[in-house]
Amino acid sequence: FMLTQPHSVSESPGKTVTISCTRSSGSIANNFVHWYQQRPGSAPTTVMFEDAQRPSGVPDRFSGSIDSSSNSASLIISGLKTEDEADYYCQSYDDDNHWVFGGGTKLTVL
Amino acid sequence: QVHLQESGPGLVKPSQTLSLTCNVSGGSMNSGSFYWTWIRQPAGKGLEWIGRIYGHGNTNYNTSLKSRVTISLDTSRNQFSLRLTSVTAADTALYYCARSHSGNLHADSWGRGTLVTVSA
Repeated sequence: FMLTQPHSVSESPGKTVTISCTRSSGSIANNFVHWYQQRPGSAPTTVMFEDAQRPSGVPDRFSGSIDSSSNSASLIISGLKTEDEADYYCQSYDDDNHWVFGGGTKLTVL
Repeated sequence: QVHLQESGPGLVKPSQTLSLTCNVSGGSMNSGSFYWTWIRQPAGKGLEWIGRIYGHGNTNYNTSLKSRVTISLDTSRNQFSLRLTSVTAADTALYYCARSHSGNLHADSWGRGTLVTVSA
């Protein structure tokens, strides 16, 4: 299966943005979805795991959800800050536990 | 806190073999709770899972790379390695090693990445 993300999203500081990750086949609920943030020149870091679990150190402005009706996962960032500007990747896995990454979404906070 | 560090040649000639090592410190590689994973990222592009090793050397590979990839483990030296044969320019990328949880397949620790360029 594939995971499809919007290529880019932009929003103003203080606003809320939602980044979607749509699974092409099979149920989104079958396997966990994780989200990584990647700032320029840095390795990815986790901002959400197991669909909606936030690692320690990640602000509660970040939240995650899955929606079976649209077969998609979402990363929601509220109270946007300029420091949130980065690339965001969703990741899940198939029945053989082979990883699948979304194509990534570039978030611009303007 | 576990720390991962990739090392290896930054330049490989076409048709040759890319070899990288990931040194792991601050944590045991013997725990069955973790998988040891390679991921790559071509410049300006997205992430691609290469494969993983776990347990006593069990491996899983990306189907598209399976015929060319070998991942090995040396717990006595706290490291795992990647070999990719018959490389082409399409294999030019930033290569990351990472630790992932066996339960939820989430990568909680990543190396900083090492750039490998395939060029004559």
